[in-house]
Amino acid sequence: EIVLTQSPGTLSLSPGERATLSCRASQSVSSSYLAWYQQKPGQAPRLLIYGASSRASGIPDRFSGSGSGTDFTLTISRLEPEDFAVYYCQQYGSSPLFTFGPGTKVEIK
Amino acid sequence: QITLKESGPTLVKPTQTLTLTCTFSGFSLSTSGVGVGWIRQPPGKALEWLALIYWNDDKRYSPSLKSRLAITKDTSKNQVVLTMTNVDPVDTATYYCAHRPIAAAYLLWGQGTLVTVSS
Repeated sequence: EIVLTQSPGTLSLSPGERATLSCRASQSVSSSYLAWYQQKPGQAPRLLIYGASSRASGIPDRFSGSGSGTDFTLTISRLEPEDFAVYYCQQYGSSPLFTFGPGTKVEIK
Repeated sequence: QITLKESGPTLVKPTQTLTLTCTFSGFSLSTSGVGVGWIRQPPGKALEWLALIYWNDDKRYSPSLKSRLAITKDTSKNQVVLTMTNVDPVDTATYYCAHRPIAAAYLLWGQGTLVTVSS
């Protein structure tokens, strides 16, 4: 079973700053099988990035994903007020079929 | 436009069986490569994948919960049903159903429904 670890647990930043979120897998993950989601309080997760680096429909270009193997990164180039939320990485595999990381909370400093 | 909506009880007693229904629109579960799954999130905690059913009735379950889960589909009604037996207060969570597009490695989510397990 692949375990995903996200760091930091909480990121305190100001609007306009750059956010860099890390997702590390316990085993190598195909880039095609790595996704990122944003979740705001009281809302369902929203797909941001799939295939490690492809933005989902309607996602602003300030969100970008990168990485390969066991290390993946979600970058928000300039934080907007609506970007303060919890971010989850997810991998798709054999068993379990989907695995999520514990999340990174991006909070206003 | 793809939409999914979860329905079911908001309160369940310990040891009972929980039955949740996902009603969806905008896609067909008879289309090759498509799936519908369930994920839960205890209050203040992370996401946990539970189960997924494919267009061809192939079913996959979380290894840790496999003995308690069953997922079925009714293609004619555009519905997927998840049953969880012998619930416990630790099963209190928001339960989401989600669409797995053709050959995709990601999910598109419904709004979720909060289920509380308490006597």
